[in-house]
Amino acid sequence: GAVVSQHPSWVICKSGTSVKIECRSLDFQATTMFWYRQFPKQSLMLMATSNEGSKATYEQGVEKDKFLINHASLTLSTLTVTSAHPEDSSFYICSASLPVGNEQFFGPGTRLTVL
Amino acid sequence: DAKTTQPTSMDCAEGRAANLPCNHSTISGNEYVYWYRQIHSQGPQYIIHGLKNNETNEMASLIITEDRKSSTLILPHATLRDTAVYYCIVRSTGTASKLTFGTGTRLQVTL
Repeated sequence: GAVVSQHPSWVICKSGTSVKIECRSLDFQATTMFWYRQFPKQSLMLMATSNEGSKATYEQGVEKDKFLINHASLTLSTLTVTSAHPEDSSFYICSASLPVGNEQFFGPGTRLTVL
Repeated sequence: DAKTTQPTSMDCAEGRAANLPCNHSTISGNEYVYWYRQIHSQGPQYIIHGLKNNETNEMASLIITEDRKSSTLILPHATLRDTAVYYCIVRSTGTASKLTFGTGTRLQVTL
């Protein structure tokens, strides 16, 4: 099946620093990738839709200048949390959409802890 | 996309069938029913999807009522590793349409 990886799997950073999370589709090309955030005991919330070679589309309430998304190739999308604060601590999950069939396959997630 | 309603939690004995219901009474004609599950601290895993016919794969079966207003995911022989939160999602067709996750059903498989 389609495999999506994320790196790092977990990260701890100081308040005010920036953190970059990578999402890769390992065995297929993904024209579209999605970024989700999940707080403890809550469901996944879509943050943004990332299309290769174009600007990401952000969901309402998600600050595009704080959560920078780059989708420079068909197999890689990155999410950068800029000037992270403790309230940004969360589980960040990406998914990639197959070009045919429309299924989304999810990465294992990245747990971000901001001190 | 249409909204779905699922029970908050369910229990199932290991080896028995787990039947997880989902209501989607406002589903429209071009919307599929998708099921994903999320084991604790992992990314969601695709299980199955269907439009109007019943579907079966190596993981589960999906039964969709004739009026398409509800569906049931069946895990035929639940194991402890099937303990997870199961999400029923209604999603329109078209490339890269987004998934909207509800609260899902927390399935606990017990010995």
